[in-house]
Amino acid sequence: GAGVSQTPSNKVTEKGKYVELRCDPISGHTALYWYRQSLGQGPEFLIYFQGTGAADDSGLPNDRFFAVRPEGSVSTLKIQRTERGDSAMYLCASSPTGTGKGAEQFFGPGTRLTVL
Amino acid sequence: AQSVTQLGSHVSVSEGALVLLRCNYSSSVPPYLFWYVQYPNQGLQLLLKYTSAATLVKGINGFEAEFKKSETSFHLTKPSAHMSDAAEYFCAALYSSASKIIFGSGTRLSIRP
Repeated sequence: GAGVSQTPSNKVTEKGKYVELRCDPISGHTALYWYRQSLGQGPEFLIYFQGTGAADDSGLPNDRFFAVRPEGSVSTLKIQRTERGDSAMYLCASSPTGTGKGAEQFFGPGTRLTVL
Repeated sequence: AQSVTQLGSHVSVSEGALVLLRCNYSSSVPPYLFWYVQYPNQGLQLLLKYTSAATLVKGINGFEAEFKKSETSFHLTKPSAHMSDAAEYFCAALYSSASKIIFGSGTRLSIRP
């Protein structure tokens, strides 16, 4: 079956602009995660959805970052007033259940965001 | 604070040599532990995971890792390196009280011909 997909694969934008990054999880996976990976670093947690609701958004760096998952499947990460420091690889992952059960997270290929 | 430490940001071994990538976690309660591999411009692929069923965990591509509670370690090994093993490797932990995976900073593995 299809894995996690993310679009676009690359996004270049100018400082101050608004961007949306999309994640299509594996069909049937109820849990969805967003991570941000800066160059030379490991992924850092941003937000976790269980179904349609954000179960943990403690990793969002500030209120410019927002994510939704209105129908419990596709998720969109939204970044307002982008800054150069937002440049990173944004990774999405999904799992069949939730992290509390040690369920494996399946990662997408990521969206590389560059803010000029 | 909960954290994962990977010793050595870059490891280089000869083809056919032993691969040893080090990982230590911080916690008094053994969490779930993972090793992921990331090839250039690709997402993360799970190599193996520890979920308390067995301390020696075997994964894909000939890798294995041993959980040692006394040392709070989960080092990754492979007896004989192959050129195709060149990639970035991440150790990660999931603490049962949390909902997020905590990643180490990664180790880049290079293989010399």
